[in-house]
Amino acid sequence: SAVISQKPSRDICQRGTSLTIQCQVDSQVTMMFWYRQQPGQSLTLIATANQGSEATYESGFVIDKFPISRPNLTFSTLTVSNMSPEDSSIYLCSVERLSGETQYFGPGTRLLVL
Amino acid sequence: DQQVKQNSPSLSVQEGRISILNCDYTNSMFDYFLWYKKYPAEGPTFLISISSIKDKNEDGRFTVFLNKSAKHLSLHIVPSQPGDSAVYFCAAKAEEAAGNKLTFGGGTRVLVKP
Repeated sequence: SAVISQKPSRDICQRGTSLTIQCQVDSQVTMMFWYRQQPGQSLTLIATANQGSEATYESGFVIDKFPISRPNLTFSTLTVSNMSPEDSSIYLCSVERLSGETQYFGPGTRLLVL
Repeated sequence: DQQVKQNSPSLSVQEGRISILNCDYTNSMFDYFLWYKKYPAEGPTFLISISSIKDKNEDGRFTVFLNKSAKHLSLHIVPSQPGDSAVYFCAAKAEEAAGNKLTFGGGTRVLVKP
């Protein structure tokens, strides 16, 4: 497995502001992903964070709203931009050490937008 | 279009008895399946997985069964323990396509009564 940390663990934000979430892994991994879990819902993939290039976004998610960086093999950030109450969710980072292996998840960032 | 479904939102079982969680999928390209357990305020924890070339995989108290023709898998937990009380997610992926994306079911909340 991999040890994954996320910062912040939780935050309360005002609408119209932006929040950047960090994901740090204890070792180099091939794949990094960002998921969202809205209240009472399942997990939905936002995007795959690609090292050194633009992230690959899933249908319904766009770079302007959720810009992602991945400067190296152990670190990624997700920004939730121009937040609204509908963005209140748990945001989760996951990793695969080698492509095709099991995905392991971070502890999540619980976001509440007022 | 929900490609992975967990039709039972909740399950209550007595300690020591068997818990059976079910999951159905529609996408015939899925060839790898995983179960995750999630406690509140934590990220999902990987439990067990199964490749489509197998019909059963066992790890301690956890066994996953796969019926490819029915596009159905189940997770058996025996004996159930109070610490098993959590939300369980079924997930699937098509390893040769879709960039290792995991598609999650809606989750089943399990309550193990002492």
